[in-house]
Amino acid sequence: KNEVEQSPQNLTAQEGEFITINCSYSVGISALHWLQQHPGGGIVSLFMLSSGKKKHGRLIATINIQEKHSSLHITASHPRDSAVYICAVNSGGSNYKLTFGKGTLLTVNP
Amino acid sequence: KAGVTQTPRYLIKTRGQQVTLSCSPISGHRSVSWYQQTPGQGLQFLFEYFSETQRNKGNFPGRFSGRQFSNSRSEMNVSTLELGDSALYLCASRDDGVNTEAFFGQGTRLTVV
Repeated sequence: KNEVEQSPQNLTAQEGEFITINCSYSVGISALHWLQQHPGGGIVSLFMLSSGKKKHGRLIATINIQEKHSSLHITASHPRDSAVYICAVNSGGSNYKLTFGKGTLLTVNP
Repeated sequence: KAGVTQTPRYLIKTRGQQVTLSCSPISGHRSVSWYQQTPGQGLQFLFEYFSETQRNKGNFPGRFSGRQFSNSRSEMNVSTLELGDSALYLCASRDDGVNTEAFFGQGTRLTVV
């Protein structure tokens, strides 16, 4: 079993829909990252969470440390949100070490 | 501020050769970490350097090595290349601290033939 599990693996939505991507992890962590990767490879960090909830524009990320679970929500999805979304956890503390989920491929159709 | 710069962007090497990839972090960032991304395994942690010291290492063979210079620029080296080393290699830089945001470079796509 992977230390970081994401669901779903693939997600297709219509423009305007509310999107949720889930991430569960089995190790102790000091922080969880949500990353976005577009075709071509570049990765952008969307959020880093160690507790609670963060919001940036139409994106919201939450984390429940007790349940070892995080969610990424996209409100009013748009075709430009189409990308791979990756959950990663820092399980190394100050000896930084990211462990990644397999990613969720999101396609938003106009 | 300039972002994280990786060079070269694309590289084709032959089995058995060695390769060196470079990563220039954001100015002021002393932590540089390296990752391998393949279709089968996804993203995997290679190692992290901080102030010229390797602080953590992933589960990769000794053919994979790295170093960091006093200006925080980092290189990773893969010796005796195998076909399975074909991948996108990404580096990320961070500011000091346990939980600071990671900024990724565009990656180097290595093809081993």
